[in-house]
Amino acid sequence: DAGVIQSPRHEVTEMGQEVTLRCKPISGHNSLFWYRQTMMRGLELLIYFNNNVPIDDSGMPEDRFSAKMPNASFSTLKIQPSEPRDSAVYFCASSLVGHNLEKLFFGSGTQLSVL
Amino acid sequence: RKEVEQDPGPFNVPEGATVAFNCTYSNSASQSFFWYRQDCRKEPKLLMSVYSSGNEDGRFTAQLNRASQYISLLIRDSKLSDSATYLCVVIPSGTYKYIFGTGTRLKVLA
Repeated sequence: DAGVIQSPRHEVTEMGQEVTLRCKPISGHNSLFWYRQTMMRGLELLIYFNNNVPIDDSGMPEDRFSAKMPNASFSTLKIQPSEPRDSAVYFCASSLVGHNLEKLFFGSGTQLSVL
Repeated sequence: RKEVEQDPGPFNVPEGATVAFNCTYSNSASQSFFWYRQDCRKEPKLLMSVYSSGNEDGRFTAQLNRASQYISLLIRDSKLSDSATYLCVVIPSGTYKYIFGTGTRLKVLA
């Protein structure tokens, strides 16, 4: 299995631009998670989906952030408009959760720099 | 108060030393606990689950103290390759919400 695939690996953009991060979870996994990691705040859970349905988006910082999961094999995290404080590493992770919680598998992350 | 708290370190220890980290959590209804390891500029990876009775995997021992709401990780006979950031993860009961601590940095010195 290829694992969780994220794109792009690096994104440099200017303040005010729209940014779209993409994630392909591991085939067969039923849950997908978006995290943001910074030195100051560590790994923060932004939103997670179960069976393509958003379950908890309480970690999404503002209305500028939105996430979708149109099918079981694809998810996007969009920031519009982007701001310098959004600069961070964004990780996507997937898991097969059920009666017994399973481990999270992370993608390699997207390093976002907003100038 | 943060939901999951860890001492950020760094813990600098010589090779062969034993080192222990703690992680406290605020939600007493938390049901599942894990330790993840993250190398510099890489994604986190599962190190081990933490069971109520405690568990061991080679040089690594994880324990849970529900009364005091903390989990611990003990590393014996530290290796240079153990240098990394160790993240604890807590999942509140009734959710699939994996909540990470900010991590504890370990540096094993030759």
